[in-house]
Amino acid sequence: DAGVIQSPRHEVTEMGQEVTLRCKPISGHNSLFWYRQTMMRGLELLIYFNNNVPIDDSGMPEDRFSAKMPNASFSTLKIQPSEPRDSAVYFCASSFFRGGQETQYFGPGTRLLVL
Amino acid sequence: RKEVEQDPGPFNVPEGATVAFNCTYSNSASQSFFWYRQDCRKEPKLLMSVYSSGNEDGRFTAQLNRASQYISLLIRDSKLSDSATYLCVVKINYGQNFVFGPGTRLSVLP
Repeated sequence: DAGVIQSPRHEVTEMGQEVTLRCKPISGHNSLFWYRQTMMRGLELLIYFNNNVPIDDSGMPEDRFSAKMPNASFSTLKIQPSEPRDSAVYFCASSFFRGGQETQYFGPGTRLLVL
Repeated sequence: RKEVEQDPGPFNVPEGATVAFNCTYSNSASQSFFWYRQDCRKEPKLLMSVYSSGNEDGRFTAQLNRASQYISLLIRDSKLSDSATYLCVVKINYGQNFVFGPGTRLSVLP
């Protein structure tokens, strides 16, 4: 299995620009999570989906952030307009439920730098 | 009180030492428990699930104490390659989110 795929792996942009991060979950997984990680704040959950439906977006910082999951194999996280404080590593993760246990796997992350 | 708390460390131990990490969680309804490992500039990776009866995987032993809402991870005969941040993770139920602790940083020294 290819694992969770994220693109781009690195993104450098200027303040005010739109940024779109992409994620392909592991096939057969039915939950998808977007996290942000910084040295100061650690790993923060931004939003998660079950069966393509957003369940909890309370972690989304503000209206500049939006996430979609149009189908089971693709999700996007968009920041518009971007700000320097958005600089972080953004992880996508997916999970499946089997044998009474749910297991979550992370993608390699997108390193975002907003200048 | 944070949902999942861990001693941030760092723990600096010599090779071959035994080291233990603790984690406490606040929600008594939590059902699933995990330890993840995160190397510098990498994504978190599942190290092991934690079962009620405790479980072992090679040099790693995980314990769960539901009454005290406490999880532990024991690493025996530590290797240089064990140097990483160890994240305690708790989940209440299927369909709900995974709650990550802040992590404990381990450095195994030669």
